[in-house]
Amino acid sequence: QKEVEQDPGPLSVPEGAIVSLNCTYSNSAFQYFMWYRQYSRKGPELLMYTYSSGNKEDGRFTAQVDKSSKYISLFIRDSQPSDSATYLCAMSGSWGKFQFGAGTQVVVTP
Amino acid sequence: DGGITQSPKYLFRKEGQNVTLSCEQNLNHDAMYWYRQDPGQGLRLIYYSQIVNDFQKGDIAEGYSVSREKKESFPLTVTSAQKNPTAFYLCASRRTTLNTGELFFGEGSRLTVL
Repeated sequence: QKEVEQDPGPLSVPEGAIVSLNCTYSNSAFQYFMWYRQYSRKGPELLMYTYSSGNKEDGRFTAQVDKSSKYISLFIRDSQPSDSATYLCAMSGSWGKFQFGAGTQVVVTP
Repeated sequence: DGGITQSPKYLFRKEGQNVTLSCEQNLNHDAMYWYRQDPGQGLRLIYYSQIVNDFQKGDIAEGYSVSREKKESFPLTVTSAQKNPTAFYLCASRRTTLNTGELFFGEGSRLTVL
């Protein structure tokens, strides 16, 4: 079983809808949680970074971490066609190594 | 502007040849990483380095080598011993003081073995 599980999609939504993404994990020592957006043939771009549990909002993006359930989420409000990309979750403990989900492909249709 | 620069963006190699991928960062980050990305798979760690002149193997280090002679630079050599080297390679870095967890990536290098 992988340490981090992420549904590969594709997840198709109409423009303006809310995109809901999530990852589950098994290692309770993870403390740092990240979401990345990756366009085709490009490097991942850091969208959200959260330490421990709780919510964090930045513009149209909201990240949630529920450590008791070992579950993290990313919500994208008012989705745009430019949000079409692959979204990766990542997490780590204090030891400096990161575990990544396989990525969810999101398609926002006009 | 601060960032991570990978070169070349695209590289073609004949079987049996070693190739070196460059990674330079001007973010004053202590730790640097190399990942491999294949379609449908998550990022897999090849090597990482927390400080100059020290590095550790990741999950798939066989057939790869690295050096960390300068804080800014962490080149990756893909040797002829790597059986399936065609992939997208990503370099990343992070600041380790204050235990900051944010990991930043370069734009990647696409290696194709002919």
